[in-house]
Amino acid sequence: NAGVTQTPKFRVLKTGQSMTLLCAQDMNHEYMYWYRQDPGMGLRLIHYSVGEGTTAKGEVPDGYNVSRLKKQNFLLGLESAAPSQTSVYFCASSPGGGNSGANVLTFGAGSRLTVL
Amino acid sequence: AQRVTQPEKLLSVFKGAPVELKCNYSYSGSPELFWYVQYSRQRLQLLLRHISRESIKGFTADLNKGETSFHLKKPFAQEEDSAMYYCALSSWTTDSWGKLQFGAGTQVVVTP
Repeated sequence: NAGVTQTPKFRVLKTGQSMTLLCAQDMNHEYMYWYRQDPGMGLRLIHYSVGEGTTAKGEVPDGYNVSRLKKQNFLLGLESAAPSQTSVYFCASSPGGGNSGANVLTFGAGSRLTVL
Repeated sequence: AQRVTQPEKLLSVFKGAPVELKCNYSYSGSPELFWYVQYSRQRLQLLLRHISRESIKGFTADLNKGETSFHLKKPFAQEEDSAMYYCALSSWTTDSWGKLQFGAGTQVVVTP
């Protein structure tokens, strides 16, 4: 049981380049999330999804887009990378709403992105 | 707006000494509080949540609504407790399921 898998684990981009981070979960979770982790700021929610075909903005959505075409996958895209997007990105998932476990997140291992 | 404050960036303690990580929150509704932990080279994982009222790895945390705090405590720290600890808050409202607000984190270093 892999849980939450993120690819790639590391990536270096030049300013203006685009890329996509892939998150896959095999726990049949309804909810999926993308967070970024920055020193001194904890984790901040970028975008999230409450089910296949749905997406919504989190706390820091600017400069990112997401898609959830399949229940098990949640993609995070950077259309034109900026140095301010240098961070560690974490994907997470949780069971659906109405379930006390909905707030219990299972995290991926993280993807370290550097934008030069 | 909800906010989580962890005032200590770094907490250095000796093995066997008590350790307390502070967490204060601001939220007008009914909060659900968590502690997540990230050990070196491992992924972030849930340590405990206030509604479970259980002790995990010797850690306990009590929700104090009057003081809006959810401090994490362990009476005798062990070297394997060295990690980054995050306090997190969510609400019970359905439109907030899973949308956790994290604190900045506290790095705990336990020295022998």
